[in-house]
Amino acid sequence: NAGVTQTPKFQVLKTGQSMTLQCAQDMNHEYMSWYRQDPGMGLRLIHYSVGAGITDQGEVPNGYNVSRSTTEDFPLRLLSAAPSQTSVYFCASSFEGVSGNTIYFGEGSWLTVV
Amino acid sequence: ILNVEQSPQSLHVQEGDSTNFTCSFPSSNFYALHWYRWETAKSPEALFVMTLNGDEKKKGRISATLNTKEGYSYLYIKGSQPEDSATYLCAFPPYNAGNNRKLIWGLGTSLAVNP
Repeated sequence: NAGVTQTPKFQVLKTGQSMTLQCAQDMNHEYMSWYRQDPGMGLRLIHYSVGAGITDQGEVPNGYNVSRSTTEDFPLRLLSAAPSQTSVYFCASSFEGVSGNTIYFGEGSWLTVV
Repeated sequence: ILNVEQSPQSLHVQEGDSTNFTCSFPSSNFYALHWYRWETAKSPEALFVMTLNGDEKKKGRISATLNTKEGYSYLYIKGSQPEDSATYLCAFPPYNAGNNRKLIWGLGTSLAVNP
C-alpha cells in the first residue's frame, strides 16, 4: 500500500522556471491538499480539492496552480518560481466529510529556488 | 483570528523520563483535534484524532486527553525513548468547518530524548 506518493523529493530551480510537483494517492480519498512548511511557521495550506474536477484555494495560493482530473492525482504547478517559494512541500489526503478523518501525508518535496 | 498554540516550543528530556505537552485551541464550535508526530526528514504521521470532550486515547506509551470546554489537549509520553524524538503537531478545523479542508496547524513541540 503506497499511500501518498510525492515526486520529486528534491529540486533546485532557477528564478522564473516552472515545474510541477506530482502527488498520487491509492486510498480512494476524496480530499487532497498541498501544504508548505517554512521555518518558524506552521503548515500552511496552498490549495485543496474535495474531488475530481473540484479545487479551491487555501491560505497561500499565489504563484501556484492545481488541477484534479482524477481521484488519485493532484499535481501542484509553480508557474514562475521565486526565491520565496523555497520551502518543503507536503501533499496530503483524507476521506472527505467529518473533520475526524485521519490525514495521510506524502514524504515531502524539498524545493530550492535560486 | 483562530489560532492553535502549542507549548512548550521545545523540550529536552532524558531517556526514561515521562513528559507532556499542550495544545490550546478555541473552544467554541469544536469538531475535532488532530495530533501528529513528525520525525525529521519524514512525513507527519497521525497519532490521534479526538472528537469527544473527555476523550482519552492511547497508542503504546503515548496518550492524549481532550477538554473541549476549556480548549486544550494534553499529549503524554511515558518513559520517553530516543525514538520518540520528533516534533508533535496538533491541528483543528476552523469554527465554521466540520471537515479537514482548512485545518489550522500549531507550530509543534519539538521533543529531544537524550539516551
